[in-house]
Amino acid sequence: EVQLVESGGGLVQPGGSLRLSCAASGFTFSNYWMHWVRQAPGKGLVWVSRINSDGSSTSYADSVKGRLTSSRDNAKNTLYLQMNSLRAEDTAVYYCARELNGDFGLDYWGQGTLVTVSS
Amino acid sequence: DIQMTQSPSSLSASVGDRVTITCRASQSISSYLNWYQQKPGKAPKLLIYAASSLQSGVPSRFSGSGSGTDFTLTISSLQPEDFATYYCQQSYSTLWTFGRGTKVEIK
Repeated sequence: EVQLVESGGGLVQPGGSLRLSCAASGFTFSNYWMHWVRQAPGKGLVWVSRINSDGSSTSYADSVKGRLTSSRDNAKNTLYLQMNSLRAEDTAVYYCARELNGDFGLDYWGQGTLVTVSS
Repeated sequence: DIQMTQSPSSLSASVGDRVTITCRASQSISSYLNWYQQKPGKAPKLLIYAASSLQSGVPSRFSGSGSGTDFTLTISSLQPEDFATYYCQQSYSTLWTFGRGTKVEIK
């Protein structure tokens, strides 16, 4: 059974940092591109970032470029999101998700982890 | 960035109704259009990928159509478990984008 489990969310002050993790199981993690998607409370889904299967290529939404960094450890079957210079508008539930091979959407999602940026 | 415009933003419908949601891209995205369903407090679920391909395990009452800039999600006979928010998403460009969502409520 495919499982994605996020962790690392919490309360952080503006300007602070946080690292999210997404532990994958039930599939060959190193074969799949992975994504982060976020959702502010009561709002819609916002795509955040994408990383290729070996971690050599990433892309980011303009709103997070230069502050959030996605990486992965295929030996540990884990995806990461390093979040720096956090702002109030980064407050959201952060989901990791697996890409259906071939740019065909996100077929498995984690349960999400809440990041709250507030003083 | 490619902008995705969904309409309507919300709708009220009854069980058994045929429901149609539209999504328009700001430029051609070929068939790189996906649809998701999200229920409150839950992660999104992929319904349709590549504009018209039904994801495994999704009921056949869901269907998708379109190409280029205009796309449609249709629920042929709305069921109680279908009351949720639906999002379209393009996967054509390097930077993916979602529509703002359509909330389907009970009439």
